[in-house]
Amino acid sequence: KAGVTQTPRYLIKTRGQQVTLSCSPISGHRSVSWYQQTPGQGLQFLFEYFSETQRNKGNFPGRFSGRQFSNSRSEMNVSTLELGDSALYLCASSLERGATEAFFGQGTRLTVV
Amino acid sequence: AQSVTQPDIHITVSEGASLELRCNYSYGATPYLFWYVQSPGQGLQLLLKYFSGDTLVQGIKGFEAEFKRSQSSFNLRKPSVHWSDAAEYFCAVGDGNNDMRFGAGTRLTVKP
Repeated sequence: KAGVTQTPRYLIKTRGQQVTLSCSPISGHRSVSWYQQTPGQGLQFLFEYFSETQRNKGNFPGRFSGRQFSNSRSEMNVSTLELGDSALYLCASSLERGATEAFFGQGTRLTVV
Repeated sequence: AQSVTQPDIHITVSEGASLELRCNYSYGATPYLFWYVQSPGQGLQLLLKYFSGDTLVQGIKGFEAEFKRSQSSFNLRKPSVHWSDAAEYFCAVGDGNNDMRFGAGTRLTVKP
């Protein structure tokens, strides 16, 4: 079966702009989590969505938001981009909340200039 | 809150040599523990996981890990490393609610 699909793979944006990233989980998976990966901070949890509701949120400013649709696809949005938002954004899908395994997509590489 | 420490930022081993990557965690209850591998520019692939039961767990690609509660450790091992194992390895601890906390990672270089 198809894995987790993240689009786009690469993105270049200017400071102050906003961006939307997309994640399509594995078919049948209902939980989607987002992570930010940077060389300085490593992998950090952004938020988790399940049944179209945000269930858990990491320590990020309100400029970072997300949503989940009824087909479990998820988007995350970053408004008023800052240089420090440059990162690899990873999406992980799980069958259910509390599932024992998360499958990661290849990520979206965001560069803010 | 849960946290993970991977003491070794970079490890170099010769091909065919054994490997041990260290991981220490902090978590109040019984943790969910994971090891992931990441190749450059790629996402994370799960190598193995531990939730309960046998403290020695087997994973893919010949990896294994041992959970030691007394030491709060979950070290990853492989008896004989292959050049294709060169990658970054992440240990993670979770609470069962898909909020995983990752270590800083250990970059593995394999010498021919």
